[in-house]
Amino acid sequence: ETGVTQSPTHLIKTRGQQVTLRCSSQSGHNTVSWYQQALGQGPQFIFQYYREEENGRGNFPPRFSGLQFPNYSSELNVNALELDDSALYLCASSPSGGANFVTQYFGPGTRLTVL
Amino acid sequence: KQEVTQIPAALSVPEGENLVLNCSFTDSAIYNLQWFRQDPGKGLTSLLLIQSSQREQTSGRLNASLDKSSGRSTLYIAASQPGDSATYLCAVLTGANNLFFGTGTRLTVIP
Repeated sequence: ETGVTQSPTHLIKTRGQQVTLRCSSQSGHNTVSWYQQALGQGPQFIFQYYREEENGRGNFPPRFSGLQFPNYSSELNVNALELDDSALYLCASSPSGGANFVTQYFGPGTRLTVL
Repeated sequence: KQEVTQIPAALSVPEGENLVLNCSFTDSAIYNLQWFRQDPGKGLTSLLLIQSSQREQTSGRLNASLDKSSGRSTLYIAASQPGDSATYLCAVLTGANNLFFGTGTRLTVIP
């Protein structure tokens, strides 16, 4: 157990809808990163938040957005869902920010299916 | 753009065998390299982290090496057990706080 939790476990949405995924980091971890893992692929970096500010972003469009709260929880929001958004969404927390951070602790993921 | 490749994509071995998983990356400007384990439908568990200045890390039956100049890393698993069956992912950390992952090696250890 990494101490990182995500909700919901599974989610089914239809194309065009909006979705919010939630993550609760380990206490004291002020950095959270979100990844998208399509079936059979490795995770792809969406973005990172450090002390409630975005601190790096991968090659994802603006309809992917996030929030980080002072209580070590965070959200990933996806607007205008597309079929290709179907994936496992992983959050990972770390106790420090910056480029040289140590091991990230991953949550179990949220499986999103877009119909 | 950083690309991470893992070979083989799948591996099946009898219990007790020693095995090596391979990872290569195209851009040697990395901060560290991590090996993760992923069980079906689950999140990732970090196994070993090697800083760019290090050559190897060991944890129990696992040993990971890093040759940054050639863009290669290996994960050695000694005396494999059925409980080692999982997908193993390697990932490199670049300057944009971005972990680049390979597509993984799916390992099956046969009792």
